[in-house]
Amino acid sequence: NAGVTQTPKFQVLKTGQSMTLQCAQDMNHEYMSWYRQDPGMGLRLIHYSVGAGITDQGEVPNGYNVSRSTTEDFPLRLLSAAPSQTSVYFCASSYSIILSGAAGYTFGSGTRLTVV
Amino acid sequence: KNQVEQSPQSLIILEGKNCTLQCNYTVSPFSNLRWYKQDTGRGPVSLTIMTFSENTKSNGRYTATLDADTKQSSLHITASQLSDSASYICVVSDRGSTLGRLYFGRGTQLTVWP
Repeated sequence: NAGVTQTPKFQVLKTGQSMTLQCAQDMNHEYMSWYRQDPGMGLRLIHYSVGAGITDQGEVPNGYNVSRSTTEDFPLRLLSAAPSQTSVYFCASSYSIILSGAAGYTFGSGTRLTVV
Repeated sequence: KNQVEQSPQSLIILEGKNCTLQCNYTVSPFSNLRWYKQDTGRGPVSLTIMTFSENTKSNGRYTATLDADTKQSSLHITASQLSDSASYICVVSDRGSTLGRLYFGRGTQLTVWP
């Protein structure tokens, strides 16, 4: 049982390049989400999904796309990377769509992205 | 505006000592409050979750308290160990929608010295 797996762990991009951050979970969780974590700030929600085929925007969605073709995978796409997207990205999943459930979130180990 | 404020921003203590971290929130309507531990270079890991009716919850050397009237929570760490060095994040969930949005504090960076 691997939990939430994120790849890659580190990435450097040039401005304007595109890339996909991968996230996979093997816990049959319906709810998956992407956060970014910047120094001195709390985690901010980028996009989330409540099940396969269903996605929605979070707090800071601009410049990012997501899709959810399977329950297990929730990739995050950067269409045209900008220096402002330099951050640490975390994928998280939860069994309960209603977040008041006791399970809480399981976070991946993060992807550290630098855009130069 | 729904917010979660944590204090102190950083804290240094000696191994074996106790410490208390604070979390004040304005999130409404309140659903639950979680404390997460985030080691450097890792994702956050859940320590405790507390609902409106719970005042205290323990997880080993970690004890969380919640005062829903004053909208305050604390995380008490007993007999600190070097491995407790991490960022501790307070997360509050509302119940204004089916999904229950999460509000993250900025964290308290705890350093335990030998």
